[in-house]
Amino acid sequence: AQKVTQAQTEISVVEKEDVTLDCVYETRDTTYYLFWYKQPPSGELVFLIRRNSFDEQNEISGRYSWNFQKSTSSFNFTITASQVVDSAVYFCALSDDNFNKFYFGSGTKLNVKP
Amino acid sequence: GAVVSQHPSWVICKSGTSVKIECRSLDFQATTMFWYRQFPKQSLMLMATSNEGSKATYEQGVEKDKFLINHASLTLSTLTVTSAHPEDSSFYICSARDLREVYSYEQYFGPGTRLTVT
Repeated sequence: AQKVTQAQTEISVVEKEDVTLDCVYETRDTTYYLFWYKQPPSGELVFLIRRNSFDEQNEISGRYSWNFQKSTSSFNFTITASQVVDSAVYFCALSDDNFNKFYFGSGTKLNVKP
Repeated sequence: GAVVSQHPSWVICKSGTSVKIECRSLDFQATTMFWYRQFPKQSLMLMATSNEGSKATYEQGVEKDKFLINHASLTLSTLTVTSAHPEDSSFYICSARDLREVYSYEQYFGPGTRLTVT
């Protein structure tokens, strides 16, 4: 069965702090895809990154970085030097190799205080 | 980038009435669209997969007769909540895949429709 777990329900940090959002997944597929989305208060999902199961290279994009470790079935997301605009709910998602079914985690609400 | 719109963005209706929500891909064609439901402070749950020209595929536990989905064209899918009740109040989000991106696994999400049933 496919499952995504985001154990952190809510995190509060002060601006400029680094913060890591955890994501652990379960799947029996050998080929799968992992995603992170941001959902600001307006509700619209914003795509951040996707990773396929064969690419374990970590990725950095500006203040964002992702750590994919198949050995621990984790795909963690780090925001460096957080800003107030980073405040949102962040979802980790898992897709099968047909890219049709997305399994979302329960989301982590990030509050960045000035 | 690909843009998906939803209309209306929010709607309030009375219990027992039906509400139609539209999902449109504005600058691309989508053979497949997806409908999700999100309760307050909860995750997105896939309700159904909508394929152009064919019947939608519903996830287990989703009432087909209550949530009618029609994917009449490559750019439009509609979700009709029939005989709405307060427990149907939720945030409904659609997504679409770009027909041209054969190897793309990205779904483009709409901005969502907030339904409140009084």
